[in-house]
Amino acid sequence: EVRLVESGGGLVQPGGCLRLSCAASGFTFSDHYIDWVRQAPGKGLEWVARSRDKRNGYSTEYAASVKGRFTISRDESKDSVYLQMNSLKTEDTAVYYCARRSSGSGSYYPFDYWGQGTLVTVSS
Amino acid sequence: DIQMTQSPSSLSASVGDRVTITCRASQGISSWLAWYQQKPEKAPKSLIYAASNLQSGVPSRFSGSGSGTDFTLTISSLQPEDIATYYCQQYDSFPLTFGGGTRVEIK
Repeated sequence: EVRLVESGGGLVQPGGCLRLSCAASGFTFSDHYIDWVRQAPGKGLEWVARSRDKRNGYSTEYAASVKGRFTISRDESKDSVYLQMNSLKTEDTAVYYCARRSSGSGSYYPFDYWGQGTLVTVSS
Repeated sequence: DIQMTQSPSSLSASVGDRVTITCRASQGISSWLAWYQQKPEKAPKSLIYAASNLQSGVPSRFSGSGSGTDFTLTISSLQPEDIATYYCQQYDSFPLTFGGGTRVEIK
């Protein structure tokens, strides 16, 4: 069974930092892209960052709103993806989900599994 | 960036009704469109990929169509468990973008 479990959310002051974790199980971790998607309270979904698979060197992409402040990374030994969030702003307040991109022989794939999310609140 | 526009933003329908949600992309995305269902206080769930393909385990009353810029999600016979917000998402190019969501309620 595919599982994605986020952790690390909490309350942080503006300008502070936080590291989120996404622990994966039930599939070959290195074969899949893993993304972070966030949802501000009462709002829609916003894509945040991507970590590609091992074949693509775990290369990364970021939304403009977080580029230079957030860093996505992986630990193969722990089947985990991380989101290091620095210089946090009040507008970063959201539930953060990690999501697995489905894979195959083509180039375009959607998300097929999502974690349950972890809440990050940026407030003084 | 590709803008995704969903309509309506909310709807109310009776059990058994046919429900249609539309999603329009600001530029062509071929068929690289997904639909997700999000029930209150829950994580999104994947419903449809490549515009018209059902994810495994999704009831057949859900269907998707379209290509290019105009897409549709249809629920052929609305059930009480379909109460949720539905989002479209393009995965043609970065940044990945979602529609604003359509909230479906029972009348």
